[in-house]
Amino acid sequence: LAKTTQPISMDSYEGQEVNITCSHNNIATNDYITWYQQFPSQGPRFIIQGYKTKVTNEVASLFIPADRKSSTLSLPRVSLSDTAVYYCLVGDNDYKLSFGAGTTVTVRA
Amino acid sequence: NAGVTQTPKFQVLKTGQSMTLQCAQDMNHNSMYWYRQDPGMGLRLIYYSASEGTTDKGEVPNGYNVSRLNKREFSLRLESAAPSQTSVYFCASMDFALGVSDTEAFFGQGTRLTVV
Repeated sequence: LAKTTQPISMDSYEGQEVNITCSHNNIATNDYITWYQQFPSQGPRFIIQGYKTKVTNEVASLFIPADRKSSTLSLPRVSLSDTAVYYCLVGDNDYKLSFGAGTTVTVRA
Repeated sequence: NAGVTQTPKFQVLKTGQSMTLQCAQDMNHNSMYWYRQDPGMGLRLIYYSASEGTTDKGEVPNGYNVSRLNKREFSLRLESAAPSQTSVYFCASMDFALGVSDTEAFFGQGTRLTVV
């Protein structure tokens, strides 16, 4: 599994846009980039996945530059309920699904 | 469609006791996983099962054993519980295909285990 690096924590205020960048310099050709969200006392849940360029769904957008060595998760107009831990995962050619420490996003009123 | 179901949701053990955490999924997924999450920490992979009949160690396997009973069920056993195993345990499943990483994992609600 390609190693990923993301910030430990980020603070924001309601209504702002939050951007979390994940570095994955060793990403392989077949690897997708997947982000999960974990609320306190719950298991992680899938929020978005992409391979290149930009992906958008009802929850977030994912921006992937041409070299694919990093990706940015964008959460538009966050609310208090977006306070969570966000995990970036890349690839899985050996069946392992390994999560790092993630990024703790705290949204304040 | 219940997804991934873990039992029990809460458990208190005394040091040295044994117990089995149960996990079942109804999505016909081939891969299943067990994680532990300590307070304020990320998820650490204990064991995983790529497919029925196979199991492999993850990052922190010591003190645990697993059984992939069938395609639906993947259990985690603590033979002699220790206070260091106090944690929240999550089970997950995914329909993984080798060489293709465009699938998503589904998680259970967790088992909160305290060893005193």
